[in-house]
Amino acid sequence: AQSVTQLDSQVPVFEEAPVELRCNYSSSVSVYLFWYVQYPNQGLQLLLKYLSGSTLVKGINGFEAEFNKSQTSFHLRKPSVHISDTAEYFCAVSERTSGSRLTFGEGTQLTVNP
Amino acid sequence: GAVVSQHPSWVICKSGTSVKIECRSLDFQATTMFWYRQFPKQSLMLMATSNEGSKATYEQGVEKDKFLINHASLTLSTLTVTSAHPEDSSFYICSARGLQGANQPQHFGDGTRLSIL
Repeated sequence: AQSVTQLDSQVPVFEEAPVELRCNYSSSVSVYLFWYVQYPNQGLQLLLKYLSGSTLVKGINGFEAEFNKSQTSFHLRKPSVHISDTAEYFCAVSERTSGSRLTFGEGTQLTVNP
Repeated sequence: GAVVSQHPSWVICKSGTSVKIECRSLDFQATTMFWYRQFPKQSLMLMATSNEGSKATYEQGVEKDKFLINHASLTLSTLTVTSAHPEDSSFYICSARGLQGANQPQHFGDGTRLSIL
């Protein structure tokens, strides 16, 4: 079984500031890692994914994440945020072997203030 | 690409009514579709996993007879909330995964907000 911990439930930042949303996971098997974004009253949109290869993954909207196997982390970063980045962000993992289900973290509400 | 359409986006109905929610993969074939429930300010809770042409696999604590899932084709899954009551009010989200296998991400619909009066 896997578990995902998003260390911050809320992250307020000012526009154009850098941001890091933290995600740690626990699993007895190898996993795939994902970050999703959810805007109010909408479904989830895939930001980026780590399957294999380079541990630095670039996604949409200027976001990137780095997989750190030793620390079992997959933190999401953006060097300069916009007001439009205000949303809920979810980190998720799935087993490599079956890959059937996603295990989500509790989410981090990013609020970008002017 | 990888668009999932969920319909309706909002439903308000009386207690005792059955409500059907559709989830369609518009530009890809989905062997597996997932149904989630989300409470306000919370994460997604997986309700069931459905594979095309077979019975859905429900998570522990989810009533099969209450939440009927059908996945009759590679592009359509439906969730029917039978005899809905106010406690069934929630945000329901579907997702779909393509044919290529376990390393493919799930693509999500925009959700259905269900309000039972």
